[in-house]
Amino acid sequence: QVQLQQSGAELTKPGSSVKISCKASGYTFTSYDISWIKQRPGQALEWIGAINPGSGGTGYNEKFKGKATLTVDKSSSTAFMQLSSLTPEDTAVYYCANNNYYWYFDFWGPGTMVTVSS
Amino acid sequence: AIVLNQSPSSIVASQGEKVTITCRASSSISSNYLHWYQQKPGAFPKLVIYSTSYRASGIPSRFSGSGSGTSYSFTISRVEAEDVATYYCQQGSSNPLTFGSGTKLEIK
Repeated sequence: QVQLQQSGAELTKPGSSVKISCKASGYTFTSYDISWIKQRPGQALEWIGAINPGSGGTGYNEKFKGKATLTVDKSSSTAFMQLSSLTPEDTAVYYCANNNYYWYFDFWGPGTMVTVSS
Repeated sequence: AIVLNQSPSSIVASQGEKVTITCRASSSISSNYLHWYQQKPGAFPKLVIYSTSYRASGIPSRFSGSGSGTSYSFTISRVEAEDVATYYCQQGSSNPLTFGSGTKLEIK
């Protein structure tokens, strides 16, 4: 069965960077794009961007350009998102999810909580 | 960006009642690209309806969706206690992909 396993919670300081991971299993890793989605506490969902694991090609929400960098390691079927220049507004749960053809998300990781605090 | 205006923001319903959520887009969307998710407290979102009206795998038949253009709706025909959650619409038609602001469903 399809599974997306995410790395554990992070507690980081303002101005720092963090890199979180999303390990895929149960399907051919290069068959589906992976998106990253942000959810601040008690807030709605925001799409950050997506990566094609086969080509490494990326597409970003303009709002997150310069904030998020998406990469993959095909050898380990793992997608990564690096968040830079962290501020308290980056405190959120970050989900990875598989994109399907019509850009819906049918499989989700459990989320990684990132807390930015001095 | 396509803005999705979702209403109401919250619903309190009795078990067995029919509830409907609407999602209005700021620009027309192909029906293939409008989707709905259920997010229970403390959990990740779960796909319920994709491409306007298709139920995702394992979703009960009491969940349905319809619409076209800029106006879409999501219906639970007979609400059950396990349906307590926040529901989001989402468009995949253009970058950036966007979500509605959510509708919180509670049971009386």
